[in-house]
Amino acid sequence: GEKVEQHESTLSVREGDSAVINCTYTDTASSYFPWYKQEAGKGLHFVIDIRSNVDRKQSQRLIVLLDKKAKRFSLHITATQPEDSAIYFCAASTAGNTRKLIFGLGTTLQVQP
Amino acid sequence: GPKVLQIPSHQIIDMGQMVTLNCDPVSNHLYFYWYKQILGQQMEFLVNFYNGKVMEKSKLFKDQFSVERPDGSYFTLKIQPTALEDSAVYFCASSTGASAETLYFGSGTRLTVL
Repeated sequence: GEKVEQHESTLSVREGDSAVINCTYTDTASSYFPWYKQEAGKGLHFVIDIRSNVDRKQSQRLIVLLDKKAKRFSLHITATQPEDSAIYFCAASTAGNTRKLIFGLGTTLQVQP
Repeated sequence: GPKVLQIPSHQIIDMGQMVTLNCDPVSNHLYFYWYKQILGQQMEFLVNFYNGKVMEKSKLFKDQFSVERPDGSYFTLKIQPTALEDSAVYFCASSTGASAETLYFGSGTRLTVL
């Protein structure tokens, strides 16, 4: 079946540095790629998404890149802050079916002050 | 941002009992979902629900599972009877509607079946 692999299980960066989390997917029909953040004891909080009609999207300090040929997408967090520390989940779904997201296992990001 | 509330946050029950997990979705949302996450594994889609009906379900959505949202109240997931393998965190989500809409998730209910 369809899979999403999240390559980094943990990531530690210094405050102010950039953090990059990489994901790959198997279903070539995937066209919607959201990212979620989960802080301790809380639910998944939507942070940013990208659709297959573009290869880059930015929202403030967050940049998502999509490489459809390699079936790879990544989340870049620039100028990291301690409050960016959380678990980040990538996900993918096919066109017209965003209700069925395939999730990665999550990356625990620690931003050291 | 929009908030989805899940009640309770943790439930412990004996195998074979019935359990109902409650979700209060975002007020103007029309699509509702349940996802299941076993410890250390990926979060997996269970079911989505629209206009009083199950639209799509996965193979994880066993015959013992059912969902409903009576009269616009809580969106519920009922498991009857429960089995040991149902122990997991169950996440509810909702969205405004049509495809390509963002899903908003609750904080999950940790279900422990003894």
